[in-house]
Formats: sequence, structure tokens, C-alpha cells
Amino acid sequence: DQQVKQNSPSLSVQEGRISILNCDYTNSMFDYFLWYKKYPAEGPTFLISISSIKDKNEDGRFTVFLNKSAKHLSLHIVPSQPGDSAVYFCAAGLQGAQKLVFGQGTRLTINP
Amino acid sequence: ETGVTQSPTHLIKTRGQQVTLRCSSQSGHNTVSWYQQALGQGPQFIFQYYREEENGRGNFPPRFSGLQFPNYSSELNVNALELDDSALYLCASSFGGTGGETQYFGPGTRLLVL
Repeated sequence: DQQVKQNSPSLSVQEGRISILNCDYTNSMFDYFLWYKKYPAEGPTFLISISSIKDKNEDGRFTVFLNKSAKHLSLHIVPSQPGDSAVYFCAAGLQGAQKLVFGQGTRLTINP
Repeated sequence: ETGVTQSPTHLIKTRGQQVTLRCSSQSGHNTVSWYQQALGQGPQFIFQYYREEENGRGNFPPRFSGLQFPNYSSELNVNALELDDSALYLCASSFGGTGGETQYFGPGTRLLVL
């Protein structure tokens, strides 16, 4: 049972343009969500999170949007830079539960 | 501030053997979670340790076990290794142990079982 899904295995974006990564979830009890970035041979690096009481959170070039009615979240990166090329994972969690549930990841490639 | 560290970085074992992986948590963190990441998949939760006790477990058999020490570092032990145990093993540290906190990951240990 895949509770968190990233349906696009890969995404290619021109440098300077906007990158939009999408994530869907099935468990309406999830109450916080995170995005991680992973380079080869490294562990996932925390990027940004959002609580279910919000619909938007912004940190520099990164903005996460949450649509609870659609059980959908997205990560916007603008402007995209070559160093953003990596695999991006969305994850969901529950207050009071210890585990994070991850999607399968989306490989983002930023082209010069 | 020291980040999360893991050792070893790579390991090759044969089926049936036992393995121990180690993790040092980020300074100030008292909680360690372990995840298994198979190729092409997202990390899957194995278990979490908070104040030296198991604090939640995912869908993994009992041959996956762990420990947390007074300095909050942790070990993951896997007995009777199977071929499907080949994966990247990630540990993450956080503060709190109650859920809802951000988890910070180490670089992982890549295990190959032959």
C-alpha cells in the first residue's frame, strides 16, 4: 500500500525556469509533510516542510504548496539552478507516530 | 555542529551472515530512526530509538534489531542475511521522539548480500 506517491520518475527543466515536483498521498491523517533532496552517494538532505494547518510555506527559492482536499502537495523551485539536479523525495508524517512515509522519488535534471 | 555519521560506508556479506551498522546522531539530538532504501525506491522505516528504547517499528521481521547507547548513537543489527536485504541503510536523527519533528539523515551504508 503506497500511501505517498510521486508519479513522475523524472523531470527535466531549463536553467532559470520553474521546477514543479508533485506528490500525492492517500492517508488523510498525515499532518506534516517534508521534502528532501538526495545526491548520489549522500543521504537525503532536508529542504522544507509544511504543517497540515498551512497551505503554503516558503524558504528562499523553495515553496511547498499543500492542497488537503486533493491530498496533493507540490514543491516549486524558482529559479532552477544546475545544483538543483538531484532526486527529490516527499515524505509524510503523523504527530505522535515516529515514522516518515516516503514517495519513490523524482529525478530532477536542470539543463543549462 | 556535527551532522549524522554512519559506518561503514560499504559492506559486502554473504547470505546467512550477520551484520552490524553504526550511526552517530547529530549533536543535541536524542532520537535515531533507521530506514532501508532499495534501488529505485524511497526509504522505508525500520524502527526508531528514543532514550535507549525502541519507540516504533515498521514492517520488518525480528531479525532486524537495534540498540541505542547513552550518548544517543545507535546500531542496526541484521541476522540471517537474505539477498533482498541488499540496500542502502540510512539513519536519521531528531529531537523529541514523539513524531512531528524533522529527521536529518546520514550518508548511509550500502550493503550488498551475495
